[in-house]
Amino acid sequence: ETGVTQSPTHLIKTRGQQVTLRCSSQSGHNTVSWYQQALGQGPQFIFQYYREEENGRGNFPPRFSGLQFPNYSSELNVNALELDDSALYLCASSSERGTEAFFGQGTRLTVV
Amino acid sequence: QKEVEQNSGPLSVPEGAIASLNCTYSDRGSQSFFWYRQYSGKSPELIMFIYSNGDKEDGRFTAQLNKASQYVSLLIRDSQPSDSATYLCAVNTYQGGKLIFGQGTELSVKP
Repeated sequence: ETGVTQSPTHLIKTRGQQVTLRCSSQSGHNTVSWYQQALGQGPQFIFQYYREEENGRGNFPPRFSGLQFPNYSSELNVNALELDDSALYLCASSSERGTEAFFGQGTRLTVV
Repeated sequence: QKEVEQNSGPLSVPEGAIASLNCTYSDRGSQSFFWYRQYSGKSPELIMFIYSNGDKEDGRFTAQLNKASQYVSLLIRDSQPSDSATYLCAVNTYQGGKLIFGQGTELSVKP
């Protein structure tokens, strides 16, 4: 157990809908990163939040957005869902930027 | 050229053997290097990290880093069937947060 929890664990949405995924970081961790993992691929960096500010973004369109709360938990929002958004969404927390990152159990999103 | 490259495998070794997993990276500014294990349907689990050139040992696992060759490896001694999983190599850039992953190497340990 890493202490990083994500909700929900599974989700089915229809194309065009919006979704919010949630992550509670490990106690003492102020940095949360989000990754998308397609089947058979390594995780792809979406963005990172450090002390409530976005600290870097990967090659994802603006319909992927997020925020971090004062308790360092975080949300990932995806608007206008597309079929290709179907993937495992992973949240990772670390104590500072650049240190070891620990993943939650992930949210499996299916877009139909 | 991909930023982080791994052989996708599958790599098959007999129980008790040494499994050797390899990874190369393209950004010379990379600062830290991680190995994650991912069982099918589960999330990645951190098993090793290394920041300096040389070897780092933790139980049956040894991570090796050669920054001049831009190469990092993971050795698993006395491989067990429970080690069968996909192993992901990840590199942290000088920008300090973004992990860049390889596509993973599938390891199968046969009893």
